[in-house]
Amino acid sequence: GENVEQHPSTLSVQEGDSAVIKCTYSDSASNYFPWYKQELGKGPQLIIDIRSNVGEKKDQRIAVTLNKTAKHFSLHITETQPEDSAVYFCAAEPYNTDKLIFGTGTRLQVFP
Amino acid sequence: ETGVTQSPTHLIKTRGQQVTLRCSSQSGHNTVSWYQQALGQGPQFIFQYYREEENGRGNFPPRFSGLQFPNYSSELNVNALELDDSALYLCASSVRDRVTGELFFGEGSRLTVL
Repeated sequence: GENVEQHPSTLSVQEGDSAVIKCTYSDSASNYFPWYKQELGKGPQLIIDIRSNVGEKKDQRIAVTLNKTAKHFSLHITETQPEDSAVYFCAAEPYNTDKLIFGTGTRLQVFP
Repeated sequence: ETGVTQSPTHLIKTRGQQVTLRCSSQSGHNTVSWYQQALGQGPQFIFQYYREEENGRGNFPPRFSGLQFPNYSSELNVNALELDDSALYLCASSVRDRVTGELFFGEGSRLTVL
Protein backbone atom coordinates (compact mmCIF):
# COMPACT_ATOMS: atom_id res chain seq x y z
CA GLY A 1 0.00 0.00 0.00
CA GLU A 2 0.94 3.64 0.00
CA ASN A 3 3.61 4.52 2.52
CA VAL A 4 5.80 7.48 3.43
CA GLU A 5 8.90 7.02 5.51
CA GLN A 6 10.46 9.99 7.28
CA HIS A 7 13.72 10.44 9.12
CA PRO A 8 15.18 11.40 11.45
CA SER A 9 12.51 11.17 14.12
CA THR A 10 14.27 13.80 16.21
CA LEU A 11 16.75 16.48 15.21
CA SER A 12 18.55 18.94 17.44
CA VAL A 13 20.49 21.84 15.96
CA GLN A 14 22.13 25.01 17.17
CA GLU A 15 20.49 28.28 16.21
CA GLY A 16 21.83 29.42 12.85
CA ASP A 17 22.65 25.91 11.66
CA SER A 18 20.79 24.12 8.88
CA ALA A 19 18.34 21.26 9.31
CA VAL A 20 17.47 18.59 6.76
CA ILE A 21 14.57 16.15 6.95
CA LYS A 22 14.19 13.36 4.41
CA CYS A 23 11.22 11.35 3.19
CA THR A 24 10.69 8.44 0.86
CA TYR A 25 7.37 7.53 -0.73
CA SER A 26 6.20 4.25 -2.20
CA ASP A 27 3.50 5.20 -4.72
CA SER A 28 5.19 6.32 -7.93
CA ALA A 29 1.92 7.93 -9.05
CA SER A 30 2.10 10.47 -6.23
CA ASN A 31 2.31 13.96 -7.63
CA TYR A 32 2.03 16.38 -4.72
CA PHE A 33 4.35 16.61 -1.72
CA PRO A 34 3.55 19.08 1.05
CA TRP A 35 5.40 19.72 4.28
CA TYR A 36 3.53 20.61 7.44
CA LYS A 37 4.69 22.17 10.70
CA GLN A 38 2.79 21.24 13.82
CA GLU A 39 3.27 23.17 17.03
CA LEU A 40 2.18 21.82 20.38
CA GLY A 41 -1.59 21.71 20.69
CA LYS A 42 -2.21 22.93 17.17
CA GLY A 43 -3.16 21.48 13.83
CA PRO A 44 -0.61 21.01 11.04
CA GLN A 45 0.19 24.11 9.03
CA LEU A 46 1.46 23.96 5.47
CA ILE A 47 4.91 25.52 5.15
CA ILE A 48 5.91 24.55 1.62
CA ASP A 49 4.88 22.11 -1.08
CA ILE A 50 6.15 20.81 -4.38
CA ARG A 51 4.58 19.13 -7.37
CA SER A 52 6.07 16.26 -9.33
CA ASN A 53 6.91 18.41 -12.34
CA VAL A 54 9.33 20.52 -10.29
CA GLY A 55 12.65 19.45 -8.80
CA GLU A 56 13.19 22.19 -6.25
CA LYS A 57 11.27 25.01 -4.62
CA LYS A 58 12.45 27.67 -2.22
CA ASP A 59 10.67 30.11 0.08
CA GLN A 60 13.02 32.30 2.08
CA ARG A 61 14.81 30.00 4.58
CA ILE A 62 12.89 26.90 3.54
CA ALA A 63 13.48 24.74 0.49
CA VAL A 64 12.18 21.41 -0.71
CA THR A 65 13.81 19.09 -3.25
CA LEU A 66 12.22 16.19 -5.08
CA ASN A 67 13.89 13.23 -6.77
CA LYS A 68 11.12 11.39 -8.62
CA THR A 69 13.36 8.61 -9.83
CA ALA A 70 14.45 7.72 -6.31
CA LYS A 71 11.07 8.67 -4.82
CA HIS A 72 12.79 10.91 -2.28
CA PHE A 73 11.98 14.42 -1.16
CA SER A 74 13.64 16.57 1.46
CA LEU A 75 13.03 19.69 3.52
CA HIS A 76 15.91 22.08 4.10
CA ILE A 77 15.75 24.84 6.69
CA THR A 78 18.65 27.28 6.75
CA GLU A 79 19.61 29.75 9.47
CA THR A 80 17.38 27.97 11.98
CA GLN A 81 15.73 29.96 14.74
CA PRO A 82 14.24 28.80 18.08
CA GLU A 83 10.75 29.44 16.69
CA ASP A 84 11.42 26.76 14.07
CA SER A 85 11.18 24.22 16.90
CA ALA A 86 8.15 22.01 16.17
CA VAL A 87 7.19 18.66 14.67
CA TYR A 88 7.50 18.54 10.90
CA PHE A 89 5.56 16.12 8.71
CA CYS A 90 6.10 15.25 5.11
CA ALA A 91 3.23 13.90 3.05
CA ALA A 92 2.51 12.54 -0.38
CA GLU A 93 -0.73 12.63 -2.34
CA PRO A 94 -1.49 9.73 -4.65
CA TYR A 95 -2.53 11.14 -7.99
CA ASN A 96 -5.68 13.25 -7.84
CA THR A 97 -7.04 11.74 -4.62
CA ASP A 98 -6.99 14.71 -2.20
CA LYS A 99 -5.80 12.14 0.32
CA LEU A 100 -2.47 12.74 2.02
CA ILE A 101 -0.23 9.95 3.27
CA PHE A 102 1.84 11.39 6.11
CA GLY A 103 5.23 10.45 7.40
CA THR A 104 5.74 9.77 11.10
CA GLY A 105 7.12 13.22 11.85
CA THR A 106 10.41 14.81 12.88
CA ARG A 107 10.71 16.69 16.14
CA LEU A 108 13.06 19.58 15.48
CA GLN A 109 14.62 21.40 18.41
CA VAL A 110 16.64 24.55 17.79
CA PHE A 111 18.79 25.56 20.74
CA PRO A 112 19.72 29.23 21.23
CA GLU B 1 -11.36 34.74 5.68
CA THR B 2 -12.50 32.31 8.37
CA GLY B 3 -10.25 29.30 8.94
CA VAL B 4 -11.21 25.73 9.77
CA THR B 5 -12.86 25.48 13.17
CA GLN B 6 -13.48 22.30 15.14
CA SER B 7 -15.52 21.51 18.22
CA PRO B 8 -15.21 20.40 20.89
CA THR B 9 -11.50 20.94 21.49
CA HIS B 10 -11.28 18.26 24.16
CA LEU B 11 -13.61 15.53 25.33
CA ILE B 12 -13.54 12.40 27.43
CA LYS B 13 -15.68 9.35 26.76
CA THR B 14 -15.83 5.80 28.04
CA ARG B 15 -15.59 2.59 26.05
CA GLY B 16 -18.74 1.73 24.14
CA GLN B 17 -20.01 5.28 23.99
CA GLN B 18 -20.58 7.30 20.84
CA VAL B 19 -19.05 10.66 19.92
CA THR B 20 -19.77 13.37 17.35
CA LEU B 21 -17.10 15.84 16.31
CA ARG B 22 -17.87 18.93 14.27
CA CYS B 23 -16.00 20.93 11.69
CA SER B 24 -16.64 24.17 9.84
CA SER B 25 -14.64 24.42 6.66
CA GLN B 26 -12.73 27.44 5.50
CA SER B 27 -14.74 29.97 3.54
CA GLY B 28 -14.88 29.02 -0.15
CA HIS B 29 -13.85 25.40 0.43
CA ASN B 30 -16.17 22.59 -0.67
CA THR B 31 -14.31 19.49 0.50
CA VAL B 32 -13.72 18.23 4.02
CA SER B 33 -11.32 15.48 5.06
CA TRP B 34 -10.94 13.89 8.46
CA TYR B 35 -7.70 12.54 9.88
CA GLN B 36 -6.87 10.67 13.07
CA GLN B 37 -3.56 11.51 14.74
CA ALA B 38 -2.46 9.16 17.49
CA LEU B 39 0.10 10.48 19.96
CA GLY B 40 3.53 10.71 18.37
CA GLN B 41 2.29 9.68 14.93
CA GLY B 42 1.43 11.35 11.67
CA PRO B 43 -2.20 11.97 10.73
CA GLN B 44 -4.03 9.00 9.19
CA PHE B 45 -6.72 9.60 6.56
CA ILE B 46 -10.20 8.54 7.70
CA PHE B 47 -12.40 9.79 4.87
CA GLN B 48 -13.30 12.76 2.72
CA TYR B 49 -16.61 14.39 1.90
CA TYR B 50 -17.45 16.29 -1.26
CA ARG B 51 -20.93 17.38 -2.32
CA GLU B 52 -22.34 15.76 0.81
CA GLU B 53 -21.08 12.30 -0.18
CA GLU B 54 -18.16 10.22 1.02
CA ASN B 55 -15.41 10.52 -1.55
CA GLY B 56 -12.65 8.18 -0.46
CA ARG B 57 -12.04 6.28 2.75
CA GLY B 58 -8.98 5.09 4.60
CA ASN B 59 -8.50 1.90 6.57
CA PHE B 60 -11.09 2.61 9.27
CA PRO B 61 -14.03 0.41 10.29
CA PRO B 62 -17.67 1.30 9.53
CA ARG B 63 -18.23 2.55 13.07
CA PHE B 64 -16.43 5.67 11.83
CA SER B 65 -18.97 7.60 9.79
CA GLY B 66 -19.48 11.14 8.67
CA LEU B 67 -21.72 13.73 7.16
CA GLN B 68 -21.27 16.85 5.12
CA PHE B 69 -23.95 19.52 5.12
CA PRO B 70 -25.02 21.92 2.35
CA ASN B 71 -22.90 24.68 3.92
CA TYR B 72 -19.88 22.31 3.60
CA SER B 73 -19.53 21.83 7.34
CA SER B 74 -19.05 18.26 8.48
CA GLU B 75 -19.43 15.81 11.33
CA LEU B 76 -17.40 12.78 12.29
CA ASN B 77 -19.26 10.13 14.26
CA VAL B 78 -17.61 7.24 16.04
CA ASN B 79 -19.74 4.48 17.55
CA ALA B 80 -18.79 1.84 20.10
CA LEU B 81 -15.68 3.70 21.20
CA GLU B 82 -12.56 1.70 21.91
CA LEU B 83 -9.51 2.69 23.93
CA ASP B 84 -7.44 2.89 20.73
CA ASP B 85 -9.76 5.59 19.41
CA SER B 86 -8.04 8.01 21.79
CA ALA B 87 -6.38 10.51 19.45
CA LEU B 88 -6.44 14.00 18.00
CA TYR B 89 -9.06 14.18 15.26
CA LEU B 90 -8.21 16.71 12.59
CA CYS B 91 -10.50 18.21 10.03
CA ALA B 92 -9.06 19.69 6.87
CA SER B 93 -10.82 21.64 4.16
CA SER B 94 -9.85 22.17 0.56
CA VAL B 95 -11.24 23.08 -2.82
CA ARG B 96 -12.03 20.17 -5.10
CA ASP B 97 -10.80 20.52 -8.66
CA ARG B 98 -8.10 22.88 -7.52
CA VAL B 99 -4.56 23.18 -8.68
CA THR B 100 -2.67 23.84 -5.49
CA GLY B 101 -3.82 20.82 -3.52
CA GLU B 102 -3.44 22.57 -0.19
CA LEU B 103 -5.29 21.24 2.82
CA PHE B 104 -6.09 23.66 5.61
CA PHE B 105 -6.27 21.95 8.99
CA GLY B 106 -8.19 22.91 12.07
CA GLU B 107 -6.68 22.69 15.54
CA GLY B 108 -8.31 19.34 16.17
CA SER B 109 -10.54 17.66 18.73
CA ARG B 110 -8.65 15.64 21.30
CA LEU B 111 -10.64 12.56 22.27
CA THR B 112 -9.75 10.48 25.30
CA VAL B 113 -11.49 7.13 25.72
CA LEU B 114 -11.34 5.62 29.22
